[in-house]
Amino acid sequence: GQNIDQPTEMTATEGAIVQINCTYQTSGFNGLFWYQQHAGEAPTFLSYNVLDGLEEKGRFSSFLSRSKGYSYLLLKELQMKDSASYLCAVFSGYSTLTFGKGTMLLVSP
Amino acid sequence: GAVVSQHPSRVICKSGTSVKIECRSLDFQATTMFWYRQFPKQSLMLMATSNEGSKATYEQGVEKDKFLINHASLTLSTLTVTSAHPEDSSFYICSARTSSDFYEQYFGPGTRLTVT
Repeated sequence: GQNIDQPTEMTATEGAIVQINCTYQTSGFNGLFWYQQHAGEAPTFLSYNVLDGLEEKGRFSSFLSRSKGYSYLLLKELQMKDSASYLCAVFSGYSTLTFGKGTMLLVSP
Repeated sequence: GAVVSQHPSRVICKSGTSVKIECRSLDFQATTMFWYRQFPKQSLMLMATSNEGSKATYEQGVEKDKFLINHASLTLSTLTVTSAHPEDSSFYICSARTSSDFYEQYFGPGTRLTVT
């Protein structure tokens, strides 16, 4: 089966750094996605990790450790617009994306 | 590029009626489309995978006779919720993948279905 865990909620202040963790146990692993989802909207792509290590893309970075079944999304210089749900999703099999329940991030002034 | 649209964005229907949701890839050919359902504060759950010109593959627990999926062309897939009930009220999201991009799925903006 597939099991993906991430914290339900996190809070942070504007300008700070926040790390959202994701652990997974899945049958088959081809890669891990991070998506951002604002309420009532579709997810938007943030990052995709296939190999171990850190991928940096502007204010957002994502890390993967396949041996530990662990990933994190790092958000720097937080802005109010970063308040959203962040979804960790594992890509397995031929085309299956399995999503975690998402971490609701609230950025306060 | 890689834009996916859904129509309608919101729909309210009465219990027992059927509702059709369209998913279109606007600037690329989508060989595979996916339908997800998301309940409030829950994860996106894959309902079915459809390949153009063939029958959809449904996930365990999803009734194929209730959720009819048609992927008649490389740019259009439809999901019909038949005999809708209040428990079918949810956020339905489609995504599409090209034949050349194995990993990435491009998501539509979602359809909010409310069954009264």
